[in-house]
Amino acid sequence: EPEVTQTPSHQVTQMGQEVILRCVPISNHLYFYWYRQILGQKVEFLVSFYNNEISEKSEIFDDQFSVERPDGSNFTLKIRSTKLEDSAMYFCASSGDRGHNEQFFGPGTRLTVL
Amino acid sequence: AQKITQTQPGMFVQEKEAVTLDCTYDTSDPSYGLFWYKQPSSGEMIFLIYQGSYDQQNATEGRYSLNFQKARKSANLVISASQLGDSAMYFCAMREGNTGGFKTIFGAGTRLFVKA
Repeated sequence: EPEVTQTPSHQVTQMGQEVILRCVPISNHLYFYWYRQILGQKVEFLVSFYNNEISEKSEIFDDQFSVERPDGSNFTLKIRSTKLEDSAMYFCASSGDRGHNEQFFGPGTRLTVL
Repeated sequence: AQKITQTQPGMFVQEKEAVTLDCTYDTSDPSYGLFWYKQPSSGEMIFLIYQGSYDQQNATEGRYSLNFQKARKSANLVISASQLGDSAMYFCAMREGNTGGFKTIFGAGTRLFVKA
């Protein structure tokens, strides 16, 4: 069964450094998403992406964040100048088309900022 | 404003019994979708069930059913015949139809403990 994959599973970085979280969505999906879950808290929407541009973003998704689909398979989230409060689990998700109801989530990348 | 409310931070249920996890939502958009996800201790997010605002029937998926009461704006998840493997965090979520980007908003979650 096709699945969303994410690398790395765990990323440790120093405060102020840049990190890139990688995702490979399901191959025939068109919509891609990033979510964040701070430990013990709810899942928060960051951004959705379609047709090589951002469709929607939350107030969390400020200039510190950017997304890119550099090739036909990868979908990346870049966090510049990381802060302690960026420590969280980051989930990538993808869905098939406008009428597709289910977003398939990847296993997540746990980001720890020291 | 809180759009998804899950009032039960934790729930206990005896194995093989049914359990209802509560979810209420708030939207003025006539077109929306409601979801339930399961998050086991391993951390992944597992889709369980979907209910569209225009769906006439309550959604069912195996042991999961969604008790959709539109006028009350509630979308409770019913798990029948609970199993030990059902112990997990459960999130209710909503996607409003007027959002072109399919932004999905999650509730705070309910942690379910299934007792043997």
